[in-house]
Amino acid sequence: QKEVEQNSGPLSVPEGAIASLNCTYSDRGSQSFFWYRQYSGKSPELIMFIYSNGDKEDGRFTAQLNKASQYVSLLIRDSQPSDSATYLCAVNVGGSYIPTFGRGTSLIVHP
Amino acid sequence: GAGVSQSPSNKVTEKGKDVELRCDPISGHTALYWYRQSLGQGLEFLIYFQGNSAPDKSGLPSDRFSAERTGGSVSTLTIQRTQQEDSAVYLCASSLTGGRTYEQYFGPGTRLTVT
Repeated sequence: QKEVEQNSGPLSVPEGAIASLNCTYSDRGSQSFFWYRQYSGKSPELIMFIYSNGDKEDGRFTAQLNKASQYVSLLIRDSQPSDSATYLCAVNVGGSYIPTFGRGTSLIVHP
Repeated sequence: GAGVSQSPSNKVTEKGKDVELRCDPISGHTALYWYRQSLGQGLEFLIYFQGNSAPDKSGLPSDRFSAERTGGSVSTLTIQRTQQEDSAVYLCASSLTGGRTYEQYFGPGTRLTVT
């Protein structure tokens, strides 16, 4: 079983909709969770991080962490075509200083 | 402030040649990571530096790969006797470690093409 798993997609949503991206992880000792956005041909850009159970909101983005079920989600409200990118989930598995990255989910927001 | 910088942005080399890739982290960041990303693939961890501690080299794919970090700042990734399978984007990231703060900030990457 891979340590951090994401559906590769593509996830296609219409402009203005809510995009929901999911990530599961295998180690219950994991404490730090990150979402990165990567545009085609560009490097990953940190957009959200969350350490505690529950929701964390930043503008149109909400990260949701459920440690009991071992998943972390990213919700993008009022999706825009500019949100079209690959979203990478990263987890510090077992508290390691080296994050483990998922393979990423491709999001397409169509007008 | 200035972000992570990498040079060169692109490098084309012939099979068998050695290459050096440079990373300049964000000032004050004590942790530095190297990754590579092949076309359409995820991030592959290569090596991790934390301050003056011995680096974690567990991700280096072969002994042709090495890296050093001078003065706790700039890092150089060296690939000896390059092979075509080394072609990828090499990404550097830095992080201000402390507590649970491991957020990484990535440089623009070096695209390496081995012909």
